Amino acid sequence: SQTIHQWPATLVQPVGSPLSLECTVEGTSNPNLYWYRQAAGRGLQLLFYSVGIGQISSEVPQNLSASRPQDRQFILSSKKLLLSDSGFYLCAGKTGGSTDTQYFGPGTRLTVL
Amino acid sequence: AQSVTQPDIHITVSEGASLELRCNYSYGATPYLFWYVQSPGQGLQLLLKYFSGDTLVQGIKGFEAEFKRSQSSFNLRKPSVHWSDAAEYFCAVGPRNTGFQKLVFGTGTRLLVSP
Repeated sequence: SQTIHQWPATLVQPVGSPLSLECTVEGTSNPNLYWYRQAAGRGLQLLFYSVGIGQISSEVPQNLSASRPQDRQFILSSKKLLLSDSGFYLCAGKTGGSTDTQYFGPGTRLTVL
Repeated sequence: AQSVTQPDIHITVSEGASLELRCNYSYGATPYLFWYVQSPGQGLQLLLKYFSGDTLVQGIKGFEAEFKRSQSSFNLRKPSVHWSDAAEYFCAVGPRNTGFQKLVFGTGTRLLVSP
């Protein structure tokens, strides 16, 4: 079964600083990959998804971006963080057909001060 | 628009008592349905899912959920709650028959278990 790794686990960054969060997948190949943000009391918001290397789709316009340089690597970035970027970021992966399910990583807690 | 409603933000249940968490959805067609659980500071773990067939599905940790098409609901139940069940629970829906699975999540229900 697949395992999703994320790092760092926690991050405190000043406003205006850059961001790079990494997600890697173990135990499968050619997964669909997802970045979600979870804000308190607001559930999960899909930010980006990728169906293959170099293929990124954005769900929400914002100052974040995503990249997929390798099949099992998914990176969330920002050039300049905003206070509103604070939250819990979750990476998820899914393989196979339509009846497969998304598996989530442990998440990264980002605090922008 | 697709949406998932979890009307209860918080629920407190005594240990050993039964539990039901509500989930209603609005979707263009019958979706795939999921329940995930999240412990504090952790990722989401899949409890159970419904794709087709028997509308009562069994999951891990003694949970079950029933899909009711007429009510657009997918409520989660457990006959006897344990203190370790205290967590946040998310209902989600997704499209059928596509490789890409864009899930729509509810805002979650936080379960508190009292001794």
